[in-house]
Amino acid sequence: KQEVTQIPAALSVPEGENLVLNCSFTDSAIYNLQWFRQDPGKGLTSLLLIQSSQREQTSGRLNASLDKSSGRSTLYIAASQPGDSATYLCAVRQAMGSARQLTFGSGTQLTVLP
Amino acid sequence: EAGVAQSPRYKIIEKRQSVAFWCNPISGHATLYWYQQILGQGPKLLIQFQNNGVVDDSQLPKDRFSAERLKGVDSTLKIQPAKLEDSAVYLCASSPRQGLSSGNTIYFGEGSWLTVV
Repeated sequence: KQEVTQIPAALSVPEGENLVLNCSFTDSAIYNLQWFRQDPGKGLTSLLLIQSSQREQTSGRLNASLDKSSGRSTLYIAASQPGDSATYLCAVRQAMGSARQLTFGSGTQLTVLP
Repeated sequence: EAGVAQSPRYKIIEKRQSVAFWCNPISGHATLYWYQQILGQGPKLLIQFQNNGVVDDSQLPKDRFSAERLKGVDSTLKIQPAKLEDSAVYLCASSPRQGLSSGNTIYFGEGSWLTVV
């Protein structure tokens, strides 16, 4: 059974800092990995999707990397802003099975202080 | 493009009562998901539909939870009778037909917040 772990559970940084969020998973037979953002009282918004054959994806100030063999992914946020404050969730989609189930980590709650 | 719509947004019920949540996915999306998110945890899949057929309901507590997707469009999730531990956000999501590359993209609604007292 796939297990996804995110460390740290919470992070507080001053505005302008570069930061890294970590995600690890136990079963490397994945189809893809996604990073989501969740604002309080809202649903999830997809930020980046990395296919299992890819090493990284970039969107603006965000860069996500994937090391499938070691079961790790990182989300790098450059020049953080108060508007980046949210919970960031990592999710892996299984490669096997008709449902290709998506398994989520518990998230990292990020606070960027002005 | 309209997003995934859910209702009600908030519901407070007493234990042993019943509750139903409704979801309208993005038009044309074949796959529909219901997730349960307990405070401080990541979402957990309850049930996944492909059109109006169930693809995965392995984590659905079938003694009290039921879901249907009539005509392959809207879906309803019901809890009867509710327990205190069912207090959570129930997220509906949809994606284009699985198997297509676009099927990787999943869109979430804002959730239905349930408090059982």
